[in-house]
Amino acid sequence: DVKVTQSSRYLVKRTGEKVFLECVQDMDHENMFWYRQDPGLGLRLIYFSYDVKMKEKGDIPEGYSVSREKKERFSLILESASTNQTSMYLCASSSPLDPAWNEQFFGPGTRLTVL
Amino acid sequence: GDSVTQMEGPVTLSEEAFLTINCTYTATGYPSLFWYVQYPGEGLQLLLKATKADDKGSNKGFEATYRKETTSFHLEKGSVQVSDSAVYFCALTDGGFKTIFGAGTRLFVKA
Repeated sequence: DVKVTQSSRYLVKRTGEKVFLECVQDMDHENMFWYRQDPGLGLRLIYFSYDVKMKEKGDIPEGYSVSREKKERFSLILESASTNQTSMYLCASSSPLDPAWNEQFFGPGTRLTVL
Repeated sequence: GDSVTQMEGPVTLSEEAFLTINCTYTATGYPSLFWYVQYPGEGLQLLLKATKADDKGSNKGFEATYRKETTSFHLEKGSVQVSDSAVYFCALTDGGFKTIFGAGTRLFVKA
């Protein structure tokens, strides 16, 4: 069974802290994504990566960075957390082998609260 | 740029009612279209998909037909169950890396 796992389901941090969200997939997928999900706004893409050490900005990269040192792992970093980064964060992966489908596989999400 | 618009929720139905969730899209090319579902406390999972005009995707009693002439991909189910209560996302991809998601429609089904 294919799987995308995220390091925490719930996280509470303080303003100004550095926050790491980890995502691991076991499907040998090349592509990995970080989204944030907010009510009424759907999913917004923060960053994605199509290969190890490669990264591309999504629609809302400000205040975030990412790291992909290994194919199976994609980390999202909040350099200095702020209250407006309180959200649900979803990681996803996909394979480019069948681009007509491009189905994404999602992790369970991390609900981050910044106080 | 590409975009997806879906009906606002929440949608509240009684068990065994007919469900329609409207979805329209804007795309320059010939996108693939998807419906994803998010059950409470979980991430999204693919419900169904269609890659070309007039294709019908179906799964778990849900159906959607890719209508190029109306740029639509409406989700339907003939008889909903309480277990269908979830958030439903319409999405498209144009073959590139990115998937464009709609805002999501929350469905509540009452027993």
